[in-house]
Amino acid sequence: GQQLNQSPQSMFIQEGEDVSMNCTSSSIFNTWLWYKQDPGEGPVLLIALYKAGELTSNGRLTAQFGITRKDSFLNISASIPSDVGIYFCAGQLKETSGSRLTFGEGTQLTVNP
Amino acid sequence: SAVISQKPSRDICQRGTSLTIQCQVDSQVTMMFWYRQQPGQSLTLIATANQGSEATYESGFVIDKFPISRPNLTFSTLTVSNMSPEDSSIYLCSCRQEIYNEQFFGPGTRLTVL
Repeated sequence: GQQLNQSPQSMFIQEGEDVSMNCTSSSIFNTWLWYKQDPGEGPVLLIALYKAGELTSNGRLTAQFGITRKDSFLNISASIPSDVGIYFCAGQLKETSGSRLTFGEGTQLTVNP
Repeated sequence: SAVISQKPSRDICQRGTSLTIQCQVDSQVTMMFWYRQQPGQSLTLIATANQGSEATYESGFVIDKFPISRPNLTFSTLTVSNMSPEDSSIYLCSCRQEIYNEQFFGPGTRLTVL
């Protein structure tokens, strides 16, 4: 089956630093989604990517859909304490997976003030 | 986007009992899903809730253990049957419109089985 490798598994950074995390897949995807999950909450959609090579920003967040369609990265600039949480990537290949999302294992981000 | 609510938000249950989790979406959606997230883990799809027909279950999940209803385009329930401590987890409802590829999640139901 499809697998997503998300890295790093965890990050400990100082407030103000930039952060980068990425996901790679053994299969191609048509859609990449990035979510953030706070403790005790459901995942919240941050950015959706639909085209190979697409670069999309949402405030301090920037994500790119890899040109090979097998990878994506998420960057957070000038981190702040409320960026703490778990970030998940998710990919979808609609034609063959019945529209199911495949999730990465998550990146736990800790921001020290 | 779609706003999803779940009830209950958390529960503590005894072994052998069953719990039904409700999911309500604020708009009609084509697809609804149920996920499980065990502590410190990623999300695992349990099933796709199909409106007016039986749910489609993923490998490792069966209807007798996780019966699902979806009577209309805005509502679904997941029942966790004959619970054991291994069922302790967060259960998440999710939805997607067919024309978009954005998928949204509810706040989750945190289940503890003693």
